[in-house]
Amino acid sequence: SAVISQKPSRDICQRGTSLTIQCQVDSQVTMMFWYRQQPGQSLTLIATANQGSEATYESGFVIDKFPISRPNLTFSTLTVSNMSPEDSSIYLCSVGAGRGGDQPQHFGDGTRLSIL
Amino acid sequence: GENVEQHPSTLSVQEGDSAVIKCTYSDSASNYFPWYKQELGKRPQLIIDIRSNVGEKKDQRIAVTLNKTAKHFSLHITETQPEDSAVYFCAASRGFNKFYFGSGTKLNVKP
Repeated sequence: SAVISQKPSRDICQRGTSLTIQCQVDSQVTMMFWYRQQPGQSLTLIATANQGSEATYESGFVIDKFPISRPNLTFSTLTVSNMSPEDSSIYLCSVGAGRGGDQPQHFGDGTRLSIL
Repeated sequence: GENVEQHPSTLSVQEGDSAVIKCTYSDSASNYFPWYKQELGKRPQLIIDIRSNVGEKKDQRIAVTLNKTAKHFSLHITETQPEDSAVYFCAASRGFNKFYFGSGTKLNVKP
């Protein structure tokens, strides 16, 4: 399966600031996704990162709060903007393995974010 | 959108016993159903999956069954071992696109 690297692995941020999380894959993939996992909770899809076009956001998530970039088939970033304590979560990148997106999703190690 | 419900939220079994986790989904167009295992502080790991054209799939001690008519699917773990202790998530999707996850089941296998 694809090797997925996420940076940073964890961070502690001040309220009102923004943080950009990077996701790098070792092979070209069609589908890249960003999820949020709040403490002790399940995974919630934030958006689908589309290469060459704007991300597709799920209900409850907006571009102004979670801008996403996808400049090529191996890389994506998620920015968490104007952070508040409610944004404290693990943010996970996942990829649909295979160039055609026809393989199961695999996850990166996640970014553990704490907001003071 | 899709709604996936998962039960039970916690499950405690004795080592060697079987464990069953059940999920239901709402979108009849969903056709792919993976199961992930997440150990504390680690990434979710795919352990088994099933597509809608199959009713059952096995991989050693784990199996998944799917009832499309009733829109539910289940994970079965036999001969449980302490290393099976983790949180398990089911998910449903159309193809390999967006995954909608269940709420998770914390499995505790007592030695």
